[in-house]
Amino acid sequence: QVQLQESGPGLVKPSQTLSLTCTVSGGSINGGDIHWSWIRQPAGKGLEWIGRINPSGSTNYNPSLRSRLTISIDTSKDQFSLRLNSVTAADTAVYYCARMHPLPGGTFDSWGRGTLVTVSS
Amino acid sequence: QSVLTQPPSVSAAPGQKVTISCSGSSSNIGRNHVSWYQQVPGAAPKVLIYDNDKRPLGIPDRFSGSKSGTSVTLGISGLQTGDEADYYCGTWDSGLITGVFGGGTKLTVL
Repeated sequence: QVQLQESGPGLVKPSQTLSLTCTVSGGSINGGDIHWSWIRQPAGKGLEWIGRINPSGSTNYNPSLRSRLTISIDTSKDQFSLRLNSVTAADTAVYYCARMHPLPGGTFDSWGRGTLVTVSS
Repeated sequence: QSVLTQPPSVSAAPGQKVTISCSGSSSNIGRNHVSWYQQVPGAAPKVLIYDNDKRPLGIPDRFSGSKSGTSVTLGISGLQTGDEADYYCGTWDSGLITGVFGGGTKLTVL
């Protein structure tokens, strides 16, 4: 069973860049038509899909975040990463990485435990 | 405002059955499969139903899913207090080219 683990700073100052990495273990990140996604959840609120990347580096982003967002992948390290620029308090959330199955399913079948990122000075 | 619409809350007594609805449009539910996720406080979501009506290994048959047009429904029978959680529907929107979720439904087992 594949496992995912988020890592990165838990506190980011406003206007700076939020950077997180997800490490995949128990299976290769190079798995066929699988995509690797980021999802976030502000405290007390619902899930928000951030974006996804496949092993070839092809990405799709949430339109509301696209101008500030970069998702990248390093298949040699079985890792993928998120960078969100110019953060504000509205970006404070638990950030999850997840494995996404091919469409038309698109199921997120494996999730990391999540990491809380707080944007505050 | 979520792309998929769920009721904010549902409740029922132990042993009873409850259903949670999720409605969307032709570009998301109407075109792609839907998954249901259960999230207990402090934990990551866990998939309960995938491809509209399939259960992963280990998910009891008390949980069921169905789809009709641009809506899906999650059914939970034989309710247990351990089923208290937030439930989310999720799918892909082929028009927006994004993943989308419902706003979540809080289940209370009275």
